[in-house]
Amino acid sequence: KNQVEQSPQSLIILEGKNCTLQCNYTVSPFSNLRWYKQDTGRGPVSLTIMTFSENTKSNGRYTATLDADTKQSSLHITASQLSDSASYICVVRSGGGADGLTFGKGTHLIIQP
Amino acid sequence: NAGVTQTPKFQVLKTGQSMTLQCAQDMNHEYMSWYRQDPGMGLRLIHYSVGAGITDQGEVPNGYNVSRSTTEDFPLRLLSAAPSQTSVYFCASSSGLAVETQYFGPGTRLLVL
Repeated sequence: KNQVEQSPQSLIILEGKNCTLQCNYTVSPFSNLRWYKQDTGRGPVSLTIMTFSENTKSNGRYTATLDADTKQSSLHITASQLSDSASYICVVRSGGGADGLTFGKGTHLIIQP
Repeated sequence: NAGVTQTPKFQVLKTGQSMTLQCAQDMNHEYMSWYRQDPGMGLRLIHYSVGAGITDQGEVPNGYNVSRSTTEDFPLRLLSAAPSQTSVYFCASSSGLAVETQYFGPGTRLLVL
């Protein structure tokens, strides 16, 4: 069964600090990996999409990495801001299945002033 | 360009009642889907559509019906609401099923008593 595991479940850091969120997956066959940001009470918003051949991708202060050999990804947030407080969801798309997307449970990030 | 819209934002139902959650997109996307999000779980696919007139079941379809008569609209019907259907429902659309960005609506929060 395809699975996506995220860690930590929750994280609290001070404004201005950096942090890294982790995602491990067992999805086959692999097509691409996505990171979404979900603000409280809102729908998820896409941050990055990486295919097998891409091992890093940036979107402003967000940088995602992908190691397809170890089936791991990370999302690094630089110089955190209060607006970064949200849940971050890792999603892996396989080449089969209904819509092929397996969602992680997310990491809940809180930025404190 | 409103993106993906959902109505209502919040609904309370009694067990056994039926209702329709509305979803519309103005991006001319062929692919639309419905998810439910429950505490401590990743988003789960209920139903999806790859174009007008074409729908299929996802991971958790029981108790829900869908239809897709136009490209823009993809309503989700609860036939006989049960407390287990208390959840937050998200509609999403994309232009394809490969590396295309998925756009989510703001969600409908449903409480079944």
